[in-house]
Amino acid sequence: EAQVTQNPRYLITVTGKKLTVTCSQNMNHEYMSWYRQDPGLGLRQIYYSMNVEVTDKGDVPEGYKVSRKEKRNFPLILESPSPNQTSLYFCASSLSYSSYNEQFFGPGTRLTVL
Amino acid sequence: SQQGEEDPQALSIQEGENATMNCSYKTSINNLQWYRQNSGRGLVHLILIRSNEREKHSGRLRVTLDTSKKSSSLLITASRAADTASYFCATDPGTPLVFGKGTRLSVIA
Repeated sequence: EAQVTQNPRYLITVTGKKLTVTCSQNMNHEYMSWYRQDPGLGLRQIYYSMNVEVTDKGDVPEGYKVSRKEKRNFPLILESPSPNQTSLYFCASSLSYSSYNEQFFGPGTRLTVL
Repeated sequence: SQQGEEDPQALSIQEGENATMNCSYKTSINNLQWYRQNSGRGLVHLILIRSNEREKHSGRLRVTLDTSKKSSSLLITASRAADTASYFCATDPGTPLVFGKGTRLSVIA
């Protein structure tokens, strides 16, 4: 089944404790992206990747890191999480870096930083 | 950079009625997409309309695009309780897609 998977689905952590949210897709997509969703603010892009080893900042990249060493994986790293990073996170992928392609979303990771 | 703005923010209708939600955007686009999100879950693509198209249908969905007014509408006909979800428009002002804040639709059985 074609899908985007994220792990973990739920995470409660404390300020400053480094964490990684994994994202994997099995559709051989070139383009992958991370979003955060907050009430009243909608979906905001954190980072995106057009292909292996090619990443770029989205609208809200501060406090996050990403890497794209393999085509299928695009982990999101929070080196020193803070409470303002409490949010619902989505990974998405599409065939290529083109707005004509639909994006496929993962199920989401609900992160709480205490 | 918020591009699309959906209107209304929330909509409540009876099952069987039609639901209309609108999206306005600021800069020129190549295409506009609509997505649905069930509570707390990932977004699901519904339909894409290109800038040179005025109307598109998919099952009970009808999307219109007016580039002169920089607006789009999504019509869901004969709504069902299962249509209860948030609906987002997404446009491409620069990076591939920028999402609006969504319209929350409640369909009451």
